[in-house]
Amino acid sequence: EPEVTQTPSHQVTQMGQEVILRCVPISNHLYFYWYRQILGQKVEFLVSFYNNEISEKSEIFDDQFSVERPDGSNFTLKIRSTKLEDSAMYFCASRLREPSGGAVQETQYFGPGTRLLVL
Amino acid sequence: DAKTTQPTSMDCAEGRAANLPCNHSTISGNEYVYWYRQIHSQGPQYIIHGLKNNETNEMASLIITEDRKSSTLILPHATLRDTAVYYCIVRTDRYGNKLVFGAGTILRVKS
Repeated sequence: EPEVTQTPSHQVTQMGQEVILRCVPISNHLYFYWYRQILGQKVEFLVSFYNNEISEKSEIFDDQFSVERPDGSNFTLKIRSTKLEDSAMYFCASRLREPSGGAVQETQYFGPGTRLLVL
Repeated sequence: DAKTTQPTSMDCAEGRAANLPCNHSTISGNEYVYWYRQIHSQGPQYIIHGLKNNETNEMASLIITEDRKSSTLILPHATLRDTAVYYCIVRTDRYGNKLVFGAGTILRVKS
């Protein structure tokens, strides 16, 4: 069964450093997402991406964050200058926009996550 | 998207049916009910979704009341591996729409 994959599974970085989190969405999916979950808190939406541009972003997704799909398969989240409060699990998700009798399937499939620790 | 209300936690005996309720009294006509679960900090896992009719798949059944103001997720024969946080999410069928997660219900399946 196709699945979303993410690398690395764990990343430790120093405050102020840049990190790039990588995701390989399910191959025929068209919408891509990043979410994060700070330890003990809710899963929070960061950004959605479609047709090579951001379609929606949250207040969390400030100028320190960027996303791109550099090669048509990978979907990356970059944090330019990490802060302590960026420590979290980061989940990538993808969705197939699939018309079915007039209804659109909105199911998002999530990857296993990257645990980011900023020291 | 409509807000949902779920119990904070529930216990279920292994092998028994787990019935997880969700209230979404402000749901509108074009909003779907989605269920996801998260097993110990893993990525959220899609379970099932529905609009009006009851739905069943290999994982679970979804029962939606006629007025659509509440629903119940049923895991017919819960196992220890079903211990997880279960999220009920109501959202519109709009392209690219994000998922908004609440606190969910912690389901503990006990032997």
